[in-house]
Amino acid sequence: GQSLEQPSEVTAVEGAIVQINCTYQTSGFYGLSWYQQHDGGAPTFLSYNALDGLEETGRFSSFLSRSDSYGYLLLQELQMKDSASYFCAVRESNFNKFYFGSGTKLNVKP
Amino acid sequence: GAVVSQHPSWVICKSGTSVKIECRSLDFQATTMFWYRQFPKQSLMLMATSNEGSKATYEQGVEKDKFLINHASLTLSTLTVTSAHPEDSSFYICSARDQQRPGELFFGEGSRLTVL
Repeated sequence: GQSLEQPSEVTAVEGAIVQINCTYQTSGFYGLSWYQQHDGGAPTFLSYNALDGLEETGRFSSFLSRSDSYGYLLLQELQMKDSASYFCAVRESNFNKFYFGSGTKLNVKP
Repeated sequence: GAVVSQHPSWVICKSGTSVKIECRSLDFQATTMFWYRQFPKQSLMLMATSNEGSKATYEQGVEKDKFLINHASLTLSTLTVTSAHPEDSSFYICSARDQQRPGELFFGEGSRLTVL
């Protein structure tokens, strides 16, 4: 089986930096992905980590520690349009399935 | 980038009828597609993995006779909700993985099903 935990809600102001943590338990692990989903829309891919360390993509960075079964998504220079739900997802080695965490709702305030 | 198209976006049906949802990968071949279900303000729950040319594999607790999945070609997977009931009302989202980008899922627009 698998389980993923992330905070349910985070609030920050425009221009700030926010970190969304994700801890996971899984029987077979390939990597950790992050997705953004606006209300009523489909998830969109943000980042993927298969190896330990930091991956940077513009204002978004993602970190993975395989030994700690932990990762985080870092959002810098927050903008109002970043208000959305953010999901971590593990890519399992069995059949390459992707299981999602419960999601973190990010509220960005002026 | 890889594009996945899902149709219909919205569907309302009467209890007891069946509804088919299509998921197409438009610019890449997807040997594997995934079907998720999402309740309001909740996570995406993996329902089944759709494999081209073979039977789908269902997650524990998902009724395979209720949710029929067919993956007849490398670009098309369908989900049929049979004998739908109000409790089947949900947001259904398909996704596909491009083998060139293994850590990334490409999602369709989703289908919101309302069963009256």
